Amino acid sequence: NAGVMQNPRHLVRRRGQEARLRCSPMKGHSHVYWYRQLPEEGLKFMVYLQKENIIDESGMPKERFSAEFPKEGPSILRIQQVVRGDSAAYFCASSPTKVETQYFGPGTRLLVL
Amino acid sequence: DQQVKQNSPSLSVQEGRISILNCDYTNSMFDYFLWYKKYPAEGPTFLISISSIKDKNEDGRFTVFLNKSAKHLSLHIVPSQPGDSAVYFCAARKLTGGGNKLTFGTGTQLKVEL
Repeated sequence: NAGVMQNPRHLVRRRGQEARLRCSPMKGHSHVYWYRQLPEEGLKFMVYLQKENIIDESGMPKERFSAEFPKEGPSILRIQQVVRGDSAAYFCASSPTKVETQYFGPGTRLLVL
Repeated sequence: DQQVKQNSPSLSVQEGRISILNCDYTNSMFDYFLWYKKYPAEGPTFLISISSIKDKNEDGRFTVFLNKSAKHLSLHIVPSQPGDSAVYFCAARKLTGGGNKLTFGTGTQLKVEL
């Protein structure tokens, strides 16, 4: 039973480019969460999605960031026009229901040059 | 506003001894608490959790204690092993109105020495 999968594991972008991060939840999990970890900090919640719905995006920056979890395929976190401050580790987690434990993927490390 | 705090950035313990990691929180609406372990370049791994209606939960070498009146929880690892060396994150959840999003502390780096 594969765990949460994220790709790419490492992503390098130049300022102004777009970054697309993908997350495939564990089998049977329909709840997906994205977190960001800046250097020397804890993980910060960004967005919570169920299939085709954004449930809570209170942690998402208002501009340049968007997330989706389509009916088919992985969840995608999209960052447009990246800036150096977007450099961080982005983690995806999934859970089978709203109240059960979240299990994390290995993360995508984004570096903006 | 840091609602979950881990005031010790690092902790060093000898193999076989007890490791005690501490966590404080400020939001009395949190109803569920979790501990995750994280190795470098990997994602957090779930360790153990506790509901706010309990004061203790045990799983093998890991025990979590919750003191609601003090808004404090701790993770005890007995006996500590070299493989326990990692960063430990405390996390809290406020289910009502907050969905299932987790609020994390900044982590404590545990080093278990031979």
